[in-house]
Amino acid sequence: QKEVEQNSGPLSVPEGAIASLNCTYSDRGSQSFFWYRQYSGKSPELIMFIYSNGDKEDGRFTAQLNKASQYVSLLIRDSQPSDSATYLCAVESSASKIIFGSGTRLSIRP
Amino acid sequence: DAEITQSPRHKITETGRQVTLACHQTWNHNNMFWYRQDLGHGLRLIHYSYGVQDTNKGEVSDGYSVSRSNTEDLPLTLESAASSQTSVYFCASSRTPEGTGELFFGEGSRLTVL
Repeated sequence: QKEVEQNSGPLSVPEGAIASLNCTYSDRGSQSFFWYRQYSGKSPELIMFIYSNGDKEDGRFTAQLNKASQYVSLLIRDSQPSDSATYLCAVESSASKIIFGSGTRLSIRP
Repeated sequence: DAEITQSPRHKITETGRQVTLACHQTWNHNNMFWYRQDLGHGLRLIHYSYGVQDTNKGEVSDGYSVSRSNTEDLPLTLESAASSQTSVYFCASSRTPEGTGELFFGEGSRLTVL
């Protein structure tokens, strides 16, 4: 079992709709959770981090964490073409390593 | 502005040669990481360091080594390059435990092993 799992996609969402990205992790001792966005040919950039169970909102982005289910998600409201990218879920494990999922490719269609 | 730089950005080498990828950060971050990125695998951790003289193996460390002689630099060495090591390599740094855990990435080094 991979430590951090994501559906690879591609996930196609119409412009203006909500995009929902999901991630599960295996290490129950994990404390910190991150979502990075990576445009083709570029470096990953942080868009959200979350430490506590529940929701965390930042503009059009909402991160959701459920430690009991070992599940973290990212919602993007009012999706824009500029949101088309690969989204990487990252988890800081109990050993203080930051492990990434394989990424979900998101495509926003006009 | 503080930054993290990688060099070279592109390199082509032959099987069996030694290759070193440089990573230099000016944020004075204690934590530095090397990842490789391949299609279908996302970012996989190769080695990481939490300070000078500290190095640790990641998920895919075989065939790679690092050393940390100062805060700013974490060079990644491929002792004997193999075709399976053709990849894009990213260096990153962070300032935990003081910060959020955010990783700041370099621009990547694309390595081709023929």
